[in-house]
Order: sequence, then C-alpha cells, then structure tokens
Amino acid sequence: QSVLTQPPSVSAAPGQKVTISCSGSSSNIGNNYVYWYQQLPGTAPKLLIYENNKRPSGIPDRFSGSQSGTSVTLGITGLQTGDEADYYCETWDSSLSVVVFGGGTKLTVL
Amino acid sequence: EVQLVESGGGLVQPGGSLKVSCAASGFTFSDSGLHWVRQASGKGLEWVGLIEGKPKNYATVYSASVKGRFTISRDDSKNRAYLQMNSLKTEDTAMYYCVTGVTTSGFDSWGQGTLVTVSS
Repeated sequence: QSVLTQPPSVSAAPGQKVTISCSGSSSNIGNNYVYWYQQLPGTAPKLLIYENNKRPSGIPDRFSGSQSGTSVTLGITGLQTGDEADYYCETWDSSLSVVVFGGGTKLTVL
Repeated sequence: EVQLVESGGGLVQPGGSLKVSCAASGFTFSDSGLHWVRQASGKGLEWVGLIEGKPKNYATVYSASVKGRFTISRDDSKNRAYLQMNSLKTEDTAMYYCVTGVTTSGFDSWGQGTLVTVSS
C-alpha cells in the first residue's frame, strides 16, 4: 500500500487531455515538493515535472503539474500514442523520513 | 553527458549477499547525493535508500524494508557508489536503478538498471 495514492489507470483518445491525480497528506505532498516520472515500456523512468510544476529542459509544455493542499495533478494535453506509459508521483515524507512513490498510473491512449 | 551505469546484478539464493555498483560520469560526483530505486517485474517504483555527497557528510538513509540488511557506500576517487545487500529475500527480486539529480532537484538521471534475482 503506497503512501501516495494514484488511480491505477486512465485513458483518453489521441489529441485529448488527461489528468492523473496523486493524493497524500500533510507529511508528504502538503509540505514537500512533488515530482512526476514517465516510464515507457522496458525503459528507465524519466523526470517530467519537478518541484510541483516545473518542466526539465526538453519536456514539452503539453505536460503540466499543479498542487492543491495534499494533492497534486499531472496534466497531459494533445495526447499522442507515444504518451502511453506508466506515470509515477514522488516526494519526501517528513514523518517517515523517506522518499515515497505513488503506486503508478497506466495511461492508455485509445 | 551524465551517465550512470549499474553492474553486478545476478542470481543469488535466499539469505545470500550481493553487491551491486554504479559507475558515474559527467557531473561532480563527490558533491551529489546518490539514490537506489528498485522495481519488481510488473510492479511500481520503490525507493531503497540514499547516500549524500561530501557537503552533507555522506549521510545515509534507508527505507524500512531494507534497513539493517542493505548498506549504501561510495568511493569518490572512483566515481562509484555501491549497494551491499545481505540477508536477501525473494521479495528483494527487482531491477535496481542508481539515480541522482544533476540539473534539477528531482531524479533527472537514471542508470539502465541491474537485475537482482533472489531464488533457490
């Protein structure tokens, strides 16, 4: 059971928008930065969003992050078949003093 | 170019030990914290632990699931980090990634992973 809760799966059609939620508590999301990773099949994860809403160099602005209280959301617009992947949220948990990941969300582009 | 290359994975019996390595290049290794993250086949990401860099006195932190069994160390003269795994259990079977943050505060650099299989 993950400390951070993500939906197991989401789906949408090409060109549409999708959001992936990640909920936690005041000991993690509520007081620490959140990061999002994309993992394509058979590859290592890649950083998509850091510090809640910033994009690393090379990440298109189709990807966005937002935070509200103890939840964060990853948004992806203009969906492409190449976006089909597993997405993970991650942060520090101040009570447990460890890094925690969400359980992951599988995105299907129909 | 930042590179992290893991090695040393393999098959080990339950209760056994294994040491995997991470060779780093392309950034100031001694200043950087280095994490280990693992992923069992078909499962999600699990953080294993961290060794800080020289500025933070090489402090280590471990997840509850490996504390007391796993030890992270580093050799800055060789730009290498290590994960010593003792008292291995079947549930430790996973791909082990060495990870760091170079240009951001997140895990922006990942190795390709090394597979550890614990089985009799």
